[in-house]
Amino acid sequence: DSGVTQTPKHLITATGQRVTLRCSPRSGDLSVYWYQQSLDQGLQFLIQYYNGEERAKGNILERFSAQQFPDLHSELNLSSLELGDSALYFCASSAAPGPSGANVLTFGAGSRLTVL
Amino acid sequence: AQKVTQAQTEISVVEKEDVTLDCVYETRDTTYYLFWYKQPPSGELVFLIRRNSFDEQNEISGRYSWNFQKSTSSFNFTITASQVVDSAVYFCALSEASGGTSYGKLTFGQGTILTVHP
Repeated sequence: DSGVTQTPKHLITATGQRVTLRCSPRSGDLSVYWYQQSLDQGLQFLIQYYNGEERAKGNILERFSAQQFPDLHSELNLSSLELGDSALYFCASSAAPGPSGANVLTFGAGSRLTVL
Repeated sequence: AQKVTQAQTEISVVEKEDVTLDCVYETRDTTYYLFWYKQPPSGELVFLIRRNSFDEQNEISGRYSWNFQKSTSSFNFTITASQVVDSAVYFCALSEASGGTSYGKLTFGQGTILTVHP
C-alpha cells in the first residue's frame, strides 16, 4: 500500500457523461499530481496542486478540471466524456514541489475509466 | 522540450539471465532528475530510483543497478539474475528542475515490457 488512495478503482460510463475521480495523498504530502495512462499517449502529466493551489499544468483537456481541497484530497472531474478518454488515471503525491530529498512521487493504484 | 526514449518495447528473458533496459533522454536544462518506475501486472507504479543530473555515480541496489552517463544522455537499468517476479513494465522518466517548472512534472518514456520466463 503506497499510502495514496484513489477511488473508484474502476468506473464504466457512457459518452457524454461526467465523472469525478478522488485522491487522498499520503499523510504529510502537500503536493498532488494527476497523470493519465492510455495506450495511445502513454503516461502523461495532467496537473499539479500544492497546498490547494494549482502549480503546473500539462496536457489537460478543457473538459477536465481538478481541485485540491483544504484537507489536501484532490478530485479530477472529467466531463463530456469521449471514447478516447478511456484510460488509467493516476494520482501521485509528494511532500514538496521542489527538488528536495523528499520529492519523489508516490503513486496510487489508479482509477480505470472505461467510456462506452 | 524534454523527451524520454525507451527504444526496447518488449524484452523476453529466461530466469537468471541479466537484462538491461535502455533509456535515453533529451533536455535543455542543466539541472534535472531521472527516475525509474516499475508497473507490475497489478497496475500500480512503484518508484525504483531517482538520480539528479549532478550525480553520475552508478548505483546498485541488490540485483538492480543503474548506469547514468551524461555524455550520452543515457540512464540504463540492469537487472542481474532476473526472476519471474521482475516481470513488469518499466518506465524511465525525466523531471526538469529550473525556471519554476514543477519538479513533479515527469516526462515518461513509453515503457519497456519485461517478461521473465521460468
